[in-house]
Amino acid sequence: ETGVTQTPRHLVMGMTNKKSLKCEQHLGHNAMYWYKQSAKKPLELMFVYNFKEQTENNSVPSRFSPECPNSSHLFLHLHTLQPEDSALYLCASSQESRDTQYFGPGTRLTVL
Amino acid sequence: AQTVTQSQPEMSVQEAETVTLSCTYDTSENNYYLFWYKQPPSRQMILVIRQEAYKQQNATENRFSVNFQKAAKSFSLKISDSQLGDTAMYFCAFMSFNRNTGKLIFGQGTTLQVKP
Repeated sequence: ETGVTQTPRHLVMGMTNKKSLKCEQHLGHNAMYWYKQSAKKPLELMFVYNFKEQTENNSVPSRFSPECPNSSHLFLHLHTLQPEDSALYLCASSQESRDTQYFGPGTRLTVL
Repeated sequence: AQTVTQSQPEMSVQEAETVTLSCTYDTSENNYYLFWYKQPPSRQMILVIRQEAYKQQNATENRFSVNFQKAAKSFSLKISDSQLGDTAMYFCAFMSFNRNTGKLIFGQGTTLQVKP
C-alpha cells in the first residue's frame, strides 16, 4: 500500500453503535489529521496530531474520540452518533505541520 | 479568523479551452500558504498547486497556474488546455505560517465540468 489509506471505505451504523475509523500513512510523515466533509459545507478540520501528540481539537463533540498510537496510524472512535454526523471523513498526513497534506480516500459514514 | 471564499459553485468548460476558478481569502497575517486541491468524483483529494505568500512569483504546475494577488487577497487558478480528467471539485485552502498547527481552512469548493 502506498500513500494514505483508510478503512473501512463505507460504514453504516446506528446511533447506539460504537465503531472506529482507521487511517494509515506509508509516507514517513509526522503529522496526521482528521477532516469532516459534509454536503454543501466546506471541509472542516477536526483533529491534528504532531509526533503522536494532539495539537488541535477544533471544538469537536466528545462522541468523536481520536487516537494516535504512533506516527503512522490514526483512529477515530465513534459512539452515540447523530444522523447529522453522516459525512465523508478524510484523513491526511504531512511531513511537518506546515508541509503539504496528502489525503486518504475517506470513509463514507451513514448514521441511521 | 481566516476565511476562504469560492464564489463559483459550478463551472463548465469545453475540452482544450482555458478556465479560471476564483478564490478570495481574509486574513490579517502576512505569512501564509495557499493551496488548490482537486477532488475527482469518488476519488482521492490531491494537491494541484501550492503558493507561499512571501513569493511574488506565481506558482505553476504544467497546465495549472495561479494568479496570486496578495494585496487583493485573491488566489485564482487557471487551467489551460482543459482535459476530461480535470472534471472534479476544486478547493482553495489557506494555512497560517505563524500558528504552525497545520490547520487548513477550505473554501466551499467549485465543481468543474469539462465537456467534450
